[in-house]
Amino acid sequence: GIQVEQSPPDLILQEGANSTLRCNFSDSVNNLQWFHQNPWGQLINLFYIPSGTKQNGRLSATTVATERYSLLYISSSQTTDSGVYFCAGAFYGGATNKLIFGTGTLLAVQP
Amino acid sequence: EPEVTQTPSHQVTQMGQEVILRCVPISNHLYFYWYRQILGQKVEFLVSFYNNEISEKSEIFDDQFSVERPDGSNFTLKIRSTKLEDSAMYFCASSEQRGGYTFGSGTRLTVV
Repeated sequence: GIQVEQSPPDLILQEGANSTLRCNFSDSVNNLQWFHQNPWGQLINLFYIPSGTKQNGRLSATTVATERYSLLYISSSQTTDSGVYFCAGAFYGGATNKLIFGTGTLLAVQP
Repeated sequence: EPEVTQTPSHQVTQMGQEVILRCVPISNHLYFYWYRQILGQKVEFLVSFYNNEISEKSEIFDDQFSVERPDGSNFTLKIRSTKLEDSAMYFCASSEQRGGYTFGSGTRLTVV
């Protein structure tokens, strides 16, 4: 099955700094999503991005499907950005279309 | 924006008891899922459900677990004879055939 790896595992930033989180996947995917898990444990969907680039405020994401990676950019970070960021991928059309999660990046933004 | 609704948000149960976690997926979605996250670990796939039957299940999803879609809107996960190690956050999700998954807010299950 698909393997999803994320880097870095942990990241500490000062408020206002920018960061890039990376997600590598072992096989072709046609679903790639980024989630933010908030302190209450909720999974907040940030992007559905199987390919291309999308932006939503201070966040943007790029997926290069042919090279099997995706990047999440956080600009001008704020303390509310703290939490765990997960990427997850799935391949439709096989025996399964389950979403496989990476191990996450734990982000701490300090004031 | 359509949501996946999960109830209860928290549940505490005695070891050995049965629990039922409930989910209302998005109405026009066809695929339904349960995931589990033990504290501090990654989100793990448990089971997928399509066309009123299980389409795939993980090694975690043994005979202790069962899923059901009792009516046109609800999707439930039953855990029989709960164990301490079943304590986790349980997420329900739904999707169309192609497209993003929508996750519910989760049920935090604590087995004491």
